[in-house]
Amino acid sequence: KAGVTQTPRYLIKTRGQQVTLSCSPISGHRSVSWYQQTPGQGLQFLFEYFSETQRNKGNFPGRFSGRQFSNSRSEMNVSTLELGDSALYLCASSLGAAFTEAFFGQGTRLTVV
Amino acid sequence: AQKITQTQPGMFVQEKEAVTLDCTYDTSDPSYGLFWYKQPSSGEMIFLIYQGSYDQQNATEGRYSLNFQKARKSANLVISASQLGDSAMYFCAMRVSGVSNFGNEKLTFGTGTRLTIIP
Repeated sequence: KAGVTQTPRYLIKTRGQQVTLSCSPISGHRSVSWYQQTPGQGLQFLFEYFSETQRNKGNFPGRFSGRQFSNSRSEMNVSTLELGDSALYLCASSLGAAFTEAFFGQGTRLTVV
Repeated sequence: AQKITQTQPGMFVQEKEAVTLDCTYDTSDPSYGLFWYKQPSSGEMIFLIYQGSYDQQNATEGRYSLNFQKARKSANLVISASQLGDSAMYFCAMRVSGVSNFGNEKLTFGTGTRLTIIP
């Protein structure tokens, strides 16, 4: 079956702009989580959605937001981009915490200049 | 709160040798899962193996096995007969589960270990 698909793979934006990243989970998976990976901070949890509801949120400013659609696809948006937002953004797909699967997409590498 | 500690920033191993990557964890929840991921330079996080806190036996997946020592709160990854393609970053992660944690499904990651296989 198809894996987790993230688009776009690479993105270059300028400070102050906004960006939207997309994640399509594995078919049948209803939980989507987003993570930010930087060399300095490592992997940090952004937020998590299940059946279109945000169930958990990490310690990020309000500029970071997300949503999930009825087909489980998820988007995350970052407004007013800052240089420090440059990172690899990873999306994880899962049936839920009671299950053993937690698969990631290839990530979107965002560069803010 | 959950915490994952990986104390080996980097390791160099000869091809065909076995390698053990260390991971210790901390949680007060009795129900949790432990994951290992491989991240090559391309960036994708590749799921390797999973161990549940109530699993009686150590998990195995091909050349990967997880040495789960619950009392010591350790979950070391063992790769047998290493190959050049095993060179990558390896992350240990934990997720609490159970009814009391419904909705809290985030993964907590360690800082990773960069493994380099030498031919």
